[in-house]
Amino acid sequence: GAVVSQHPSWVICKSGTSVKIECRSLDFQATTMFWYRQFPKQSLMLMATSNEGSKATYEQGVEKDKFLINHASLTLSTLTVTSAHPEDSSFYICSARDPSAGDTDTQYFGPGTRLTVL
Amino acid sequence: GQNIDQPTEMTATEGAIVQINCTYQTSGFNGLFWYQQHAGEAPTFLSYNVLDGLEEKGRFSSFLSRSKGYSYLLLKELQMKDSASYLCAGMDSNYQLIWGAGTKLIIKP
Repeated sequence: GAVVSQHPSWVICKSGTSVKIECRSLDFQATTMFWYRQFPKQSLMLMATSNEGSKATYEQGVEKDKFLINHASLTLSTLTVTSAHPEDSSFYICSARDPSAGDTDTQYFGPGTRLTVL
Repeated sequence: GQNIDQPTEMTATEGAIVQINCTYQTSGFNGLFWYQQHAGEAPTFLSYNVLDGLEEKGRFSSFLSRSKGYSYLLLKELQMKDSASYLCAGMDSNYQLIWGAGTKLIIKP
């Protein structure tokens, strides 16, 4: 159970373009999803918490106008990196809580999306 | 402040046992998680402890002592595929995960 998918797995784009990353919970409904970023050899950094039907909660230092998050349904959250620049190149990972599971606090991770901005 | 400490790197031999320690300081406490992360991949869930004691899951076990702010992940009968980073994460009173930097485990034949 508790499978989370992400699309695309990797993307290369030109500086100034926007990139959308999708996160889906495949076998459960996720009222809460999380978006993380991880730079090479560094720990996961929480970017924002996405709640279905409401605005995302961004962590300090994360630009909400640059990283647009939409959680339009119980199985889909999207992260759009707007006007991407080379410094946005990173590994973006989403996770979701399965509220139907006994262990409701466990986060299940998607496989991640590697973004390279040229 | 909130902090998770774990060793940066450990080396062990195939077939042996290794213990990865983690100490935590969180604002409130709602559990301690261990995740495994292979290079270039997302983390996968290994274990969750919220009460003191040892939780065993096959070759992997996780221990928690809340009074000491301490946890460990025990890996038995090590296999080459266990080479990965092991992330310790504490959940604070707001149910936010505070992540350690990860312990890179190198398994040698």
